[in-house]
Amino acid sequence: AQSVTQLGSHVSVSEGALVLLRCNYSSSVPPYLFWYVQYPNQGLQLLLKYTSAATLVKGINGFEAEFKKSETSFHLTKPSAHMSDAAEYFCAVSEGRSGGYNKLIFGAGTRLAVHP
Amino acid sequence: GAVVSQHPSWVICKSGTSVKIECRSLDFQATTMFWYRQFPKQSLMLMATSNEGSKATYEQGVEKDKFLINHASLTLSTLTVTSAHPEDSSFYICSASFGEYEQYFGPGTRLTVT
Repeated sequence: AQSVTQLGSHVSVSEGALVLLRCNYSSSVPPYLFWYVQYPNQGLQLLLKYTSAATLVKGINGFEAEFKKSETSFHLTKPSAHMSDAAEYFCAVSEGRSGGYNKLIFGAGTRLAVHP
Repeated sequence: GAVVSQHPSWVICKSGTSVKIECRSLDFQATTMFWYRQFPKQSLMLMATSNEGSKATYEQGVEKDKFLINHASLTLSTLTVTSAHPEDSSFYICSASFGEYEQYFGPGTRLTVT
């Protein structure tokens, strides 16, 4: 069965510092992996996705993530945090079945706080 | 592109009444729509998956008679919470998919049952 573990429910960084949000997954087949961001009282916005192409994936707002099969990880990074990055971040995995039907399994989420 | 809307964004209803939440894909045809529930400071829990013209598939533990889902067209799915109770108060988020793996999320609907 698929699962996602996000290490650290809360991460706090200073503005300008490196952001590192950790995500480990388990999947019986090559997975599709996603990072989403959620601002208060809003839906989810896709930051980036891995779909078996390049292992280093670049997303929006300066975020990127690297798929490491040997470590079953898909950690999210950003070189320099901005105040506007403060939000909840969710990692998700899908088996990517064809036919327009697949489930996303979400991690518990990591709340990122950015301090001036 | 790939915009999903939800209506209403916020609703308050009295205990025992029913409330309907709409989810629309505005610029694409969604073969599959998903409904999630999110409690404060928690992750998203998938409630059900619906394909246009078919009955919804509910996740284990979700009462299908309480959470009625209708996927009437390729651009519209509705979730009706029947006989709502305070414990049904939550943030409900829908998503829509037309491809192999990607889901596009709506902005969510906050339901408060008094």
